[in-house]
Amino acid sequence: KNEVEQSPQNLTAQEGEFITINCSYSVGISALHWLQQHPGGGIVSLFMLSSGKKKHGRLIATINIQEKHSSLHITASHPRDSAVYICAAPLSSGGRGGGADGLTFGKGTHLIIQP
Amino acid sequence: DGGITQSPKYLFRKEGQNVTLSCEQNLNHDAMYWYRQDPGQGLRLIYYSQIVNDFQKGDIAEGYSVSREKKESFPLTVTSAQKNPTAFYLCASSPILGTQYFGPGTRLLVL
Repeated sequence: KNEVEQSPQNLTAQEGEFITINCSYSVGISALHWLQQHPGGGIVSLFMLSSGKKKHGRLIATINIQEKHSSLHITASHPRDSAVYICAAPLSSGGRGGGADGLTFGKGTHLIIQP
Repeated sequence: DGGITQSPKYLFRKEGQNVTLSCEQNLNHDAMYWYRQDPGQGLRLIYYSQIVNDFQKGDIAEGYSVSREKKESFPLTVTSAQKNPTAFYLCASSPILGTQYFGPGTRLLVL
């Protein structure tokens, strides 16, 4: 069974700073997910990536499959980026990339961007 | 608009009572999932279903039951056997090889 670790658990930064959140997992996978959870509880999927790098606006996600490690970066951070960012991986190594047999999640990184 | 709906947003349960949380999707996704979130913990998988009339237990299935009679619907019943049901429950769906889409969640509170 895959286990996912995230760091840091909490992060407070000033507006404009470059943010990095790290994720490591224990079992080889074909894809990893980054999610964003807002205070009301709603979760939005940010990225699903299996290799290299993906970019969406000011968000960049990278993954190193060999090292079982992924990072989420936020450039030019803004107070509206304040949220919980969650890393998730398929429950089992044999799982399909999307995790059709379910995902296992990190505990999340609570990010606060101060104006 | 395509998406996932969960109802109700808040649900109160009395001791010894079964309650059912609704999850509906109109995304034509084959797979659906139920997760539970407790404060300070990551989401944990309760049940999942990859096809109609079939479902599998996740990590914390005890005290819960599900059905998948229709592709669009995956209701979760929290039974009286679940001793600590107070939590935030999230439903999700996905194509078999794709990203999971999450519903808005239901907060269950025990009276």
